[in-house]
Amino acid sequence: DIVLTQSPATLSVTPGESVSLSCRASQGISTSIHWYQQKSNESPRLLIKYASQSISGIPSRFSGSGSGTDFTLSINRVESEDFSVYYCQQSYSLPWTFGGGTKLELK
Amino acid sequence: EVQLQESGPGLVKPSQSLSLTCSVTGYSITSNYWGWIRKFPGNKMEWIGHISYSGSTSYNPSLKSRISITRDTSKNQFFLQLNSVTTEDTATYYCARELMSFDYWGQGVMVTVSS
Repeated sequence: DIVLTQSPATLSVTPGESVSLSCRASQGISTSIHWYQQKSNESPRLLIKYASQSISGIPSRFSGSGSGTDFTLSINRVESEDFSVYYCQQSYSLPWTFGGGTKLELK
Repeated sequence: EVQLQESGPGLVKPSQSLSLTCSVTGYSITSNYWGWIRKFPGNKMEWIGHISYSGSTSYNPSLKSRISITRDTSKNQFFLQLNSVTTEDTATYYCARELMSFDYWGQGVMVTVSS
């Protein structure tokens, strides 16, 4: 199985800061990575697909980059509603796998 | 709008079977793929498996001997059965539309395995 390692596990920031969340794959996966946001007591929400493709309805402050083994989710000027857990997921080969998540919290 | 809703018991005894239903509205399950995902206490997420538009299935090898995903196209529902559950199957179970990524999710159902 492809292992996805997300870092950091927790990121403490102040609203208005810009942040980058990392996801590293155990082998090359081209751009077959997707990013989700999950708030407490809610279902995950797809933010970015195929590393950098935007999703309708998602604020433009969310962007993704990377290919191969290293991927980044960037949030430009964090807003209060962004404090939640973020996951990456690969669709390069079955079984699909998820990273362990990065919790974005208020400093 | 595509909507999914899981239903099923919230408590299952060890060694018994867990059965969940995902009801889909706004889109036919005879198109695309439809998956089950679970989130354990502590945030780990695991893909369980999926059923395709044609009814073919793929399962996570870690669960393959214990799971079955089926569907009823007349009701636009698909189902998860997980056999011989243990406490390690305690999790929140989600169904989702799967297009390599998961773009529509149900609200999730928390399942506890306990005697």
